[in-house]
Amino acid sequence: EAGVAQSPRYKIIEKRQSVAFWCNPISGHATLYWYQQILGQGPKLLIQFQNNGVVDDSQLPKDRFSAERLKGVDSTLKIQPAKLEDSAVYLCASSSLGQNANEKLFFGSGTQLSVL
Amino acid sequence: GENVEQHPSTLSVQEGDSAVIKCTYSDSASNYFPWYKQELGKRPQLIIDIRSNVGEKKDQRIAVTLNKTAKHFSLHITETQPEDSAVYFCAPSQDDYKLSFGAGTTVTVRA
Repeated sequence: EAGVAQSPRYKIIEKRQSVAFWCNPISGHATLYWYQQILGQGPKLLIQFQNNGVVDDSQLPKDRFSAERLKGVDSTLKIQPAKLEDSAVYLCASSSLGQNANEKLFFGSGTQLSVL
Repeated sequence: GENVEQHPSTLSVQEGDSAVIKCTYSDSASNYFPWYKQELGKRPQLIIDIRSNVGEKKDQRIAVTLNKTAKHFSLHITETQPEDSAVYFCAPSQDDYKLSFGAGTTVTVRA
């Protein structure tokens, strides 16, 4: 089966610029997650969608980060304006519904963002 | 939220020896305990997991043990090989699917 697709693979921007990342989950996966992984740390959940609704965005810095999943399939994460501390790998993951959904969590390859 | 700690943060072992990583968590409601492996520049991949109704699970050279009373679980890798070199993350969670990742353990297997 096709995996979680993310683009771009790399992005370099200057601080105060805007950037957007795209994710297409595995077909049929209702749950989509965006994680931020800063170098040397574990992934941190930013936002979780179930279909096109937000389940949890408690750790999303809403003053500069936004995300949407309008049709319940692919998703976009935006940062506006970017700060130096936003330099990280942004990982998208998806999972299917069900009691053991965590056992079916698949990650994309990520977008590596460098803010200069 | 869940407070997750992994120990050690780095681990260097001789090829063929065993490696053990411990993960301590704070939320007694957690009932799903996975371990992820992340090679340099790659995505995290699930290598083994356990649910709270089981104490131990094995898959070839890797195993996970759970002590729910003490709120910790461990990853065991036996007969380590160079390809086991990676960063390993624990990520305990409840049934709402939110994984809380630890800070990671960098394992280096010396040939």
